[in-house]
Amino acid sequence: NAGVTQTPKFRILKIGQSMTLQCTQDMNHNYMYWYRQDPGMGLKLIYYSVGAGITDKGEVPNGYNVSRSTTEDFPLRLELAAPSQTSVYFCASSYAGAPTDTQYFGPGTRLTVL
Amino acid sequence: AQSVTQLDSHVSVSEGTPVLLRCNYSSSYSPSLFWYVQHPNKGLQLLLKYTSAATLVKGINGFEAEFKKSETSFHLTKPSAHMSDAAEYFCVVSGNQGGKLIFGQGTELSVKP
Repeated sequence: NAGVTQTPKFRILKIGQSMTLQCTQDMNHNYMYWYRQDPGMGLKLIYYSVGAGITDKGEVPNGYNVSRSTTEDFPLRLELAAPSQTSVYFCASSYAGAPTDTQYFGPGTRLTVL
Repeated sequence: AQSVTQLDSHVSVSEGTPVLLRCNYSSSYSPSLFWYVQHPNKGLQLLLKYTSAATLVKGINGFEAEFKKSETSFHLTKPSAHMSDAAEYFCVVSGNQGGKLIFGQGTELSVKP
């Protein structure tokens, strides 16, 4: 049982390049989330999904896209990378979206855009 | 709308002394509150959560937190700090839709030998 896994761990992009951050969970959770963490700040929600085929915007969705074709996977796509997207990205999952549910986090992807 | 404020950006204690990390919240309804810990270059791990049951919540590694509605606080404590407690701690309140979490800015805990 690996929990939530993310790849890659580190990546350096040039301005204007694109990339996909991968996230997989093996806990059969319905809800999945993408957050970004900027230095000295808490996490901010980018996108979330309540199940396969259903996604919605979070607090800071601009510059990102997501899809959810399976329960297990929730990739995050960066189009036309900008320096403002330099951050640490965390994927998380929970069984349901109730306020009391615990979210389980992956180890993160550290992205630098130069 | 919900929000959470961590009152200290950095706390430094000596090993063996008590830890107090302060958190105030704002919520228009009865909140669910969490404390997560993040060790350097690691993901976030749940320490404990309050879900409207007992107001004193015990978590892992000897941490506990007390929900005080009258003070809108959810402070995290530990009687005796250990070197391995050095990390970033986040106080989090849960929104009422889609499991959205609202994070505080974090408190960095340093533990001196």
